[in-house]
Amino acid sequence: AQSVSQHNHHVILSEAASLELGCNYSYGGTVNLFWYVQYPGQHLQLLLKYFSGDPLVKGIKGFEAEFIKSKFSFNLRKPSVQWSDTAEYFCAVAFGGSQGNLIFGKGTKLSVKP
Amino acid sequence: DGGITQSPKYLFRKEGQNVTLSCEQNLNHDAMYWYRQDPGQGLRLIYYSQIVNDFQKGDIAEGYSVSREKKESFPLTVTSAQKNPTAFYLCASSIRSEQYFGPGTRLTVT
Repeated sequence: AQSVSQHNHHVILSEAASLELGCNYSYGGTVNLFWYVQYPGQHLQLLLKYFSGDPLVKGIKGFEAEFIKSKFSFNLRKPSVQWSDTAEYFCAVAFGGSQGNLIFGKGTKLSVKP
Repeated sequence: DGGITQSPKYLFRKEGQNVTLSCEQNLNHDAMYWYRQDPGQGLRLIYYSQIVNDFQKGDIAEGYSVSREKKESFPLTVTSAQKNPTAFYLCASSIRSEQYFGPGTRLTVT
């Protein structure tokens, strides 16, 4: 079955620390890849996406993600986190590219200490 | 102002009652989705609709029903057959595979 795994349930960092959240998916075919963020009390919103082309994708608020096809991974990174990055982060994969429904990982809660 | 609206934000029901959650979009998207979000479970797909008058079951459709009579609207009914209905429900619409989410409805059944 198609699945998406996020390795960390809860990550706690101090401000200015670097962040990397892991995301792996099953399946070796065409995929579209997404990271969504849910700030406390707010809508789920798109952070960044990968459809094709440069595997290093830049998103909003200084986030980036790298698609490594050979590892079926799409890890999210930020060089220096801020307290305002405290949120829950979800990796999502559309298996079959634009024709596929999204499968979400279980989410990683990020807490940034001021 | 384009977007997805869900109402109400909070909903309380007694066990054994059916309840319908509203979802409206003015993004002119063909596809719409309902998810359930539980702590530590991520988002799980309940139903989706690629086009008006057509919808498909997702991973956890049991105890739920939907309709898609208009492009803009995709209401979800949580029936009394749903064994654990208390949850946060998210509606989304999409273009290609990129999904846009509403603010959610938190349903509590006692």
